[in-house]
Amino acid sequence: QLQLQESGPGLVKPSETLSLTCTVSGGSLSSSSYYWGWIRQPPGKGLEWIGSLYYTGSTYYNPSLRSRVTIPIDTSKNQFSLILSSVTAADTAVYYCARLTYTWGGLDLWGQGTLVTVSS
Amino acid sequence: QSALTQPRSVSGSPGQSVTISCTGTSSDVGAYDCVSWYQQHPGKAPKLMIYDVTKRPSGVPDRFSGSKSGNMASLTISGLQADDEGDYYCCSYAGSYTALFGGGTKVTVL
Repeated sequence: QLQLQESGPGLVKPSETLSLTCTVSGGSLSSSSYYWGWIRQPPGKGLEWIGSLYYTGSTYYNPSLRSRVTIPIDTSKNQFSLILSSVTAADTAVYYCARLTYTWGGLDLWGQGTLVTVSS
Repeated sequence: QSALTQPRSVSGSPGQSVTISCTGTSSDVGAYDCVSWYQQHPGKAPKLMIYDVTKRPSGVPDRFSGSKSGNMASLTISGLQADDEGDYYCCSYAGSYTALFGGGTKVTVL
């Protein structure tokens, strides 16, 4: 059964770069039937779509974050990552990786999420 | 891009039905049949309840149903149960490979 697991530092200093990795197990990241994505949720607030990628390496970002976000893929390790630069306290959130249907009709599989706090 | 609009809260008694609205624009909800709904319990990851506006993933009870009219999508929960309590979010494809979430609705079972 396919599972997603986020990993990375739980604490990042302001102005530094946040880096998280999503490991896909029990299945292949290289499936042509799905996209993959990152979503975040600040404490006590709603969900925000950060960006998505296809196994070919094509990436798509939230316009409000585009200048600071990169989502690279490593198919050999069955992993994709989130790199968010110049973070501030407003980037404090639970970060989720998820699988997106090819038609963009829904996020059908989610990781458990990881809390990243931006603080000095 | 602005977040989709959802009511902050809805409530109902066990056995009743509740409907959550999700209002977007002609550039997102109104333009594509790519609306999904998620249930989230405290401290847990969201769970897909409805995709492609009306489809239910395997394992989701048929008490949950989705619909869309114009720029507004809706999620209806029939036969409300205690375990249905939680936060619900809508999401829509918004073109150019982007997506938008709603602000979330808290469902309370009285």
